[in-house]
Amino acid sequence: QSALTQPASVSGSPGQSITISCTGTSSDVGGYNFVSWYQQHPGKAPKLMIYDVIKRPSGVSNRFSGSKSGNTASLTISGLQAEDEADFYCCSYAGSSTLIFGGGTKLTVL
Amino acid sequence: QVQLQESGPGLVEPSETLSLTCTVSGYSISSGSGYYWGWIRQPPGKGLEWIGSIYHSGSTYYNPSLKSRVTISIDTSKNQFSLKVSSVTAADTAVYYCAREPGDYYVDVWGKGTTVTVSS
Repeated sequence: QSALTQPASVSGSPGQSITISCTGTSSDVGGYNFVSWYQQHPGKAPKLMIYDVIKRPSGVSNRFSGSKSGNTASLTISGLQAEDEADFYCCSYAGSSTLIFGGGTKLTVL
Repeated sequence: QVQLQESGPGLVEPSETLSLTCTVSGYSISSGSGYYWGWIRQPPGKGLEWIGSIYHSGSTYYNPSLKSRVTISIDTSKNQFSLKVSSVTAADTAVYYCAREPGDYYVDVWGKGTTVTVSS
């Protein structure tokens, strides 16, 4: 099991949209519709933002959306706000009831 | 509201066994309902790593890269589940989170995390 591949960093200005990619293989991201995304502010526990590729938990802003094509999943944040600045991690089911995380992406709001 | 709280030693000597417990409040582990109870860690300045999880029945699932050193157990009478990592090295230094995983493979509830340092 190798970690899913995410860009180390992305940035955007307030009001803009950004997309974070998460690339795996046919044994994880591409093989199942069980991709989730987490936001982590410094010193805090991660927070669930997206699950089952496209679903948003209650209370999460509709500015956050997820998608998947082949072995790559994506998280899009529209209408970027200062409070969105954080680390983001993708996670996928990898078979045999195991999970695998991405390496994480640092989002900077300029 | 479901809450998870990790507890255990913050310092472990190399080659020893790391032991942590997660106490669940606001939900009965024994009720099942398809939830798994898991552990995830984050080394300083690095990303998240899934360690493993356990079902209320006692069935366990582990990260293949850690499987030989990890044991997760559950005590439904105390509404707790536990993690043991044997033969620890400095590479096991991390913030350890306990977590709840619904049946379709994501984490919906996280503990606040506890820092474990491996050092003599």
